[in-house]
Amino acid sequence: DAKTTQPPSMDCAEGRAANLPCNHSTISGNEYVYWYRQIHSQGPQYIIHGLKNNETNEMASLIITEDRKSSTLILPHATLRDTAVYYCIVRGKNTGTASKLTFGTGTRLQVTL
Amino acid sequence: DTAVSQTPKYLVTQMGNDKSIKCEQNLGHDTMYWYKQDSKKFLKIMFSYNNKELIINETVPNRFSPKSPDKAHLNLHINSLELGDSAVYFCASSQDLRSGGGETQYFGPGTRLLVL
Repeated sequence: DAKTTQPPSMDCAEGRAANLPCNHSTISGNEYVYWYRQIHSQGPQYIIHGLKNNETNEMASLIITEDRKSSTLILPHATLRDTAVYYCIVRGKNTGTASKLTFGTGTRLQVTL
Repeated sequence: DTAVSQTPKYLVTQMGNDKSIKCEQNLGHDTMYWYKQDSKKFLKIMFSYNNKELIINETVPNRFSPKSPDKAHLNLHINSLELGDSAVYFCASSQDLRSGGGETQYFGPGTRLLVL
């Protein structure tokens, strides 16, 4: 499994963009980058994923560098409800029917007034 | 309209007891998972089932036995509970990758198990 490295914590002012970095220098060509978040006392929630191209959905944008060794999750207008632990995951072993997600320690994002 | 539901939400029990946690998903997914999140917040996969068949089995003590009566349900039975089993257990589901489904996993709200 490709390992990921994330800063342990970040702060962001409400209304500002939150940019969460992730390093995955050992990622292989067919591995996707997934982002999940876990709001306190809840189950992890899928945010976005990508392979090579930048991706955007209603929750966030994902920017993947050309060499794919790092990526950035962007929450364009962070709100207090975005306070959570954000996990960057490179897809683990694909058995063909099930996918093993390996969660690291993530980045604890604190959105403040 | 809960997509992935778990019962109970909280479970407090004595060491040595046997307990079960139930999980149900109404997303029509073929694959279901159990994860354990310990007191240090590390989230680790335990098992995965696809259409009632065991697919992933991490190095989990055999006191833990998953059971899948049908593809919408994956229950976790734990025998002879130990103090170290105290954790939050999350169920998740995803599409069968072979059918072209994505690998996005949808998680339940968790079951908080406390062994005294």
